[in-house]
Amino acid sequence: AQSVTQPDIHITVSEGASLELRCNYSYGATPYLFWYVQSPGQGLQLLLKYFSGDTLVQGIKGFEAEFKRSQSSFNLRKPSVHWSDAAEYFCAVGAYGTASKLTFGTGTRLQVTL
Amino acid sequence: DTGVSQDPRHKITKRGQNVTFRCDPISEHNRLYWYRQTLGQGPEFLTYFQNEAQLEKSRLLSDRFSAERPKGSFSTLEIQRTEQGDSAMYLCASSLSIRVETQYFGPGTRLLVL
Repeated sequence: AQSVTQPDIHITVSEGASLELRCNYSYGATPYLFWYVQSPGQGLQLLLKYFSGDTLVQGIKGFEAEFKRSQSSFNLRKPSVHWSDAAEYFCAVGAYGTASKLTFGTGTRLQVTL
Repeated sequence: DTGVSQDPRHKITKRGQNVTFRCDPISEHNRLYWYRQTLGQGPEFLTYFQNEAQLEKSRLLSDRFSAERPKGSFSTLEIQRTEQGDSAMYLCASSLSIRVETQYFGPGTRLLVL
C-alpha cells in the first residue's frame, strides 16, 4: 500500500528565508508525486507534480521539488518565502498509471514571520 | 473560471440526521472524487466516479455513506444516521481521465455533527 510521511508538523520561517518541506513516500513502483497547498477556507491547490523525466520539477509561486528515488523523497523548496506562503502543505502519492486514488501525508503547517 | 464547486460550504446537524452534499465538477471533467479530511490530517480517499460509474470505494465508506453521479455531471454524497465521528471536511475533486494525475479540488463542505 502506498503511504506518505511528512515529518514536520509545523515549520516557522522568516520572510525572505529559504524553505524546505520534507516528504517521504512508500510505493512499490514509480509513483506519481504531488504537492498541494491549502489556505484557510480554500480548497487544495496543486503546486507541482512529478511523473517521470527530470527529477527537479518547477511549480507555481516559485516552488520546486526534487524527486530522489534512492531516498524515497520528494522535498518541496522555495528560495525566498513570502508572507502569503503561510498555509498548510500536503504531499501526495498516486498509483502509477492511474493516480485516481491519491494518498496524502498529514501536512506541514508553514508559519511566516515578518 | 468555473472551478469545482461544493454546496453547502458548512453544515451543522444533530446526531442521527441524514445529510447530503453536492459537488459540481469542472464542466469537461469526466472523473469526480470524494475525500474526507479530519482535523490535523490530510485528505483521505473515499470514492471516485468516471462519468456515472462508481469505480472504486474506500473501506472508509461505510454502509451509511452513499455517493451518486446520476448523469455523469454533478455528484451527491449522502450520510445517513450521522455520528459525531463523521464531523470532517468533505472535499470533492475532478479531473479528465486523459490527465488523471491532475485533480482539481473544490473548497469543501465542513460538517459538524452535534
